[in-house]
Amino acid sequence: EVQLVESGGGLVQPGGSLRLACAASEFTFSNHWMHWVRQAPGKGLVWVSHINSDGSTTNYADSVKGRFTISRDNAKNTLYLQMNSLRTEDTAVYYCAGDKRGYINYNYVNWFDPWGQGTLVTVSS
Amino acid sequence: DIQMTQSPSSLSASVGDRVTITCRASQSISSYLNWYQQKTGKAPKLLIYAASSLQSGVPSRFSGSGSGTDFTLTISSLQPEDFATYYCQQSYSSLITFGGGTKVEIK
Repeated sequence: EVQLVESGGGLVQPGGSLRLACAASEFTFSNHWMHWVRQAPGKGLVWVSHINSDGSTTNYADSVKGRFTISRDNAKNTLYLQMNSLRTEDTAVYYCAGDKRGYINYNYVNWFDPWGQGTLVTVSS
Repeated sequence: DIQMTQSPSSLSASVGDRVTITCRASQSISSYLNWYQQKTGKAPKLLIYAASSLQSGVPSRFSGSGSGTDFTLTISSLQPEDFATYYCQQSYSSLITFGGGTKVEIK
């Protein structure tokens, strides 16, 4: 069964750091772009960051740019999110998601599948 | 950034009802539109990709349509397991954005 399993969440003080990991199994990890998506308590889904299959290209939401760093280790089938200078508004469940792509009706489209179960990050003093 | 607006934000419906959720993009996104279902405390699950393609394993009562700026997710006959929150997502831009969600509740 294809699985993504996040770890590394927890309680951290404002200004602190945390590193999330997302381990993939039964998934050709090295062939896929990967994403982090977060969801604050009671709120909607917000895309955070993505990384291409070989790790050479990354992108970030403005809200985390300069504070968060996405990376990957294809030999370990693992995605990471290094989160620095954390703020209370970063409190959320963080999901990793695999990116699948294909040609549909002449468009090269992409979608998120599979998703991990999420890991909770709480930023509070 | 491309803004995605879903409506309604919530709805109440009965088992067997036909349910329609709309999603509007702030600019044309062709068919770069996906739909996800999220149940309380669970990860999102892909339902529809590329506006109208049904993900493998998803019941055929779910369907998607639209192109450009206006999109629709339809549940033809609502089942008890369909009570959840639904999100649209655009992947036209590398800065991915989601709609605010539509919560489908039991009437």
